[in-house]
Amino acid sequence: DAEITQSPRHKITETGRQVTLACHQTWNHNNMFWYRQDLGHGLRLIHYSYGVQDTNKGEVSDGYSVSRSNTEDLPLTLESAASSQTSVYFCASSTRKGGEQYFGPGTRLTVT
Amino acid sequence: DQQVKQNSPSLSVQEGRISILNCDYTNSMFDYFLWYKKYPAEGPTFLISISSIKDKNEDGRFTVFLNKSAKHLSLHIVPSQPGDSAVYFCAASGWPAGGGNKLTFGTGTQLKVEL
Repeated sequence: DAEITQSPRHKITETGRQVTLACHQTWNHNNMFWYRQDLGHGLRLIHYSYGVQDTNKGEVSDGYSVSRSNTEDLPLTLESAASSQTSVYFCASSTRKGGEQYFGPGTRLTVT
Repeated sequence: DQQVKQNSPSLSVQEGRISILNCDYTNSMFDYFLWYKKYPAEGPTFLISISSIKDKNEDGRFTVFLNKSAKHLSLHIVPSQPGDSAVYFCAASGWPAGGGNKLTFGTGTQLKVEL
């Protein structure tokens, strides 16, 4: 069955370290998204991609970067982790013609 | 600037009764609306959606109503079941007018269905 996976599921890192969160989907979806979930804020869009080599900033992109070298993967990199980036991160994907996005199980990141 | 608002952080309902979750939006360019359900330690899962050309969409126990003039939508769950206890997120999109299916989410409502 097609799916979307995220790794690691849990990560603890120190302030200032570079961290990369992986997202892999097997639906062959063109669109991929990264969100963070924080209490009182819901899900906020970090970065998104509409296809290979395409990346775009979302509403909370500062301190994050993404790259899209193939259809299946959209890794999220925290260049220099900060305590404010402690959050739960969700990756999602969708087809161009559909409105629904399909979410991965999430990565809980703690920056100490 | 919260473009999609869910003003009730929590809602408690008895099993078998109706649950009504509300959502308001401010951006008139939104033309597609979705509800997602989220259990702890899992990703959100799509529940039901509605296009702005409709005012109602029904799927089993779940019905979404859209009032474009009031910029308001609601999700009705009838009858409510204990397994419905979860956080419900409202989301909106400007697709296909713009945004390419980029979603703006509300802050969520925690629904608890009690026995």
